[in-house]
Amino acid sequence: GEEVAQTPKHLVRGEGQKAKLYCAPIKGHSYVFWYQQVLKNEFKFLISFQNENVFDETGMPKERFSAKCLPNSPCSLEIQATKLEDSAVYFCASSPDRGHEQYFGPGTRLTVT
Amino acid sequence: DQQVKQNSPSLSVQEGRISILNCDYTNSMFDYFLWYKKYPAEGPTFLISISSIKDKNEDGRFTVFLNKSAKHLSLHIVPSQPGDSAVYFCAASALSNSGYALNFGKGTSLLVTP
Repeated sequence: GEEVAQTPKHLVRGEGQKAKLYCAPIKGHSYVFWYQQVLKNEFKFLISFQNENVFDETGMPKERFSAKCLPNSPCSLEIQATKLEDSAVYFCASSPDRGHEQYFGPGTRLTVT
Repeated sequence: DQQVKQNSPSLSVQEGRISILNCDYTNSMFDYFLWYKKYPAEGPTFLISISSIKDKNEDGRFTVFLNKSAKHLSLHIVPSQPGDSAVYFCAASALSNSGYALNFGKGTSLLVTP
């Protein structure tokens, strides 16, 4: 597609439950990025992929967060045993190649209660 | 540590006038800079970018200026229109260091009044 698609739009989980978010990058884009927007305006980089390979995972809280980008499937970000502090908007972005601008999806708002 | 800083949380400009949004960075490894516009409940929309080998890039009403020695960039919108009212984020990455992740500022909320 011509836009980055993210599902679901909203997700509510009780503390300790699992959350799984999905992202379909723009067709032909090799790079996928996940960002977390906590509070209103702070973006935090989580992880990036080059095709199905993890490219940079320096931002991932590794104990509970995991992500995959498998061929012919949407990319996913999974949070095991969610905590209140995981409440945020999670954005996925894709880019055609290194050194290009990133195009963002509409985000998934995760609320942990 | 905030490596990209937008020190003005908000800016109000009259329609037709110039809007100037500022951004400072601390990491000298940054070599690619971008501006994004964001409406509530939507993802950031790419506006314009500049590589560190340039000091100016223009696209229609939007111009980005880069001053590497001062580690400062600015976005000029001329003329400003009410539809430009949004939050503007400055972002930077270090491409030469193989880091393509974007480091964002905290945004400047622009209000263009008729």
